[in-house]
Amino acid sequence: SYELTQPPSVSVSPGQTARITCSGDALPKKYAYWYQQKSGQAPVLVIYEDNRRPSGIPERFSGSSSGTLATLTISGARVDDEADYYCYSTDNSANPRGVFGGGTKLTVL
Amino acid sequence: QLQLQESGPRLLKPSETLSLTCTVSRGSVTSSNYYWGWIRQPPGKGLEWIGSLYYNGSTNYNPSLKSRLTMSVDTSRNQFSLKLTSVTAADTAVYYCARHSNYYDSAGFVNTSPDFWGQGTLVTVSS
Repeated sequence: SYELTQPPSVSVSPGQTARITCSGDALPKKYAYWYQQKSGQAPVLVIYEDNRRPSGIPERFSGSSSGTLATLTISGARVDDEADYYCYSTDNSANPRGVFGGGTKLTVL
Repeated sequence: QLQLQESGPRLLKPSETLSLTCTVSRGSVTSSNYYWGWIRQPPGKGLEWIGSLYYNGSTNYNPSLKSRLTMSVDTSRNQFSLKLTSVTAADTAVYYCARHSNYYDSAGFVNTSPDFWGQGTLVTVSS
């Protein structure tokens, strides 16, 4: 079955740039999406279609995708950005199924 | 703003059927622009995509759950539902309903992705 691979954890100091990666064989042909999940809350979409930001998401959140690697970048990370981040995409089947990465715990301290 | 609310039994015994309903407010399940679906998250673990469906009844399921899973839509009540049979402790999770946006890939297949989530409901399977 198709898998998306993320690092389990990333740690940065406030004001630094945090980069979270997501690797998947189908990413050259499929969009990547990124979700932020704070403790006890439902996930929130922060990047869609590789690099587009939904209304209300701060500009410090950006996304990119090249080949089999998608990247979420948080520029000038804040303590409030501390959360779990999940990438999502779909597989290459004729009836594409959704797949989440394992999630990355971002620590900002 | 769109509102999604999950409802259904919170405690099940092994072998029973899990049934959840998502009520859509300030939006319509018959919108041609969106699919609707479910995601779950076991306590302390990551997210798992369960499946999605269109208002015409077309469904797409996670292969690992397909044999036990049925999703349906009730346009008259503006709701969509999930049924998962023969549950075990491994099905204990927070279940989220979510609106799904969609696009056609280069091969012409529709791909969906959650863009707005309900608050989630914890379903526990225990004897």
